[in-house]
Amino acid sequence: GEQVEQLPSILRVQEGSSASINCSYEDSASNYFPWYKQEPGENPKLIIDIRSNMERKQIQELIVLLDKKAKRFSLHITDTQPGDSAMYFCAASGPSGSWQLIFGSGTQLTVMP
Amino acid sequence: EAAVTQSPRNKVTVTGGNVTLSCRQTNSHNYMYWYRQDTGHGLRLIHYSYGAGNLQIGDVPDGYKATRTTQEDFFLLLELASPSQTSLYFCASSGDWGTSAETLYFGSGTRLTVL
Repeated sequence: GEQVEQLPSILRVQEGSSASINCSYEDSASNYFPWYKQEPGENPKLIIDIRSNMERKQIQELIVLLDKKAKRFSLHITDTQPGDSAMYFCAASGPSGSWQLIFGSGTQLTVMP
Repeated sequence: EAAVTQSPRNKVTVTGGNVTLSCRQTNSHNYMYWYRQDTGHGLRLIHYSYGAGNLQIGDVPDGYKATRTTQEDFFLLLELASPSQTSLYFCASSGDWGTSAETLYFGSGTRLTVL
C-alpha cells in the first residue's frame, strides 16, 4: 500500500529554537495532510492540517508547508517550549476514493530546557 | 470534544486466545477505524468502516476481523491471538471526507499483550 515516510525519527532541540519534521508521500492524488501530536500515555490529537490547494498554513507557532510537485510536506515549530515535547505523526489521505489516512512512523521530539 | 470510548484499557491473553476489543463513538460519525501503534511503525490501519454493516480492509488486516454493528459500535476480533499482535490499539472516528470533517478523533487506546 501507499507509504508515508517521516524523518527524523528522533529530534532533540533547545528550548526557544525551531524544530522541523519532514514527510513524503507517494500518491499524487493525496489531497489532505494532517499532523497529529501524541503526548506520553495519551491518544493522538490533530494540531494542524493542510489541503492540496494551499502551500503554507500557520497556526500560532506551527507552520506547515506543502510541495505537491515534490510530494513533500513539513511541520515547523517555532520558538519551541518543553510542552512541545511529544510524538508527532504526519499523515496523507489514502488512495483516491478511499476514506483513510496513511500515517508516517512518527518523530519523537524532545525540547531541552 | 468528540467522544470515542474503548474497552478494555488493558488486556492480557495467551497465544491462540480469543480477544474482542470494543469501541463506541457518540459523535454521529459515519467513519470508524482500527489502528495499531508499534514503535518504528507509527499508526497502521487494520480495518475501517463507513456505517453499520460496512467493512473495509486496511493495510495490516491479517489475523484480524472487525464488525460494525451500529453507527456507534465497532469491534476488532482476534480469534487466534499471536505474540506478533501485542500492540497498542486505537479506535478512531471521523466525519465525512471532503467536507472539512476528516479529523480523526481517537479513543484512549487498548494495550494488548499476547503471551
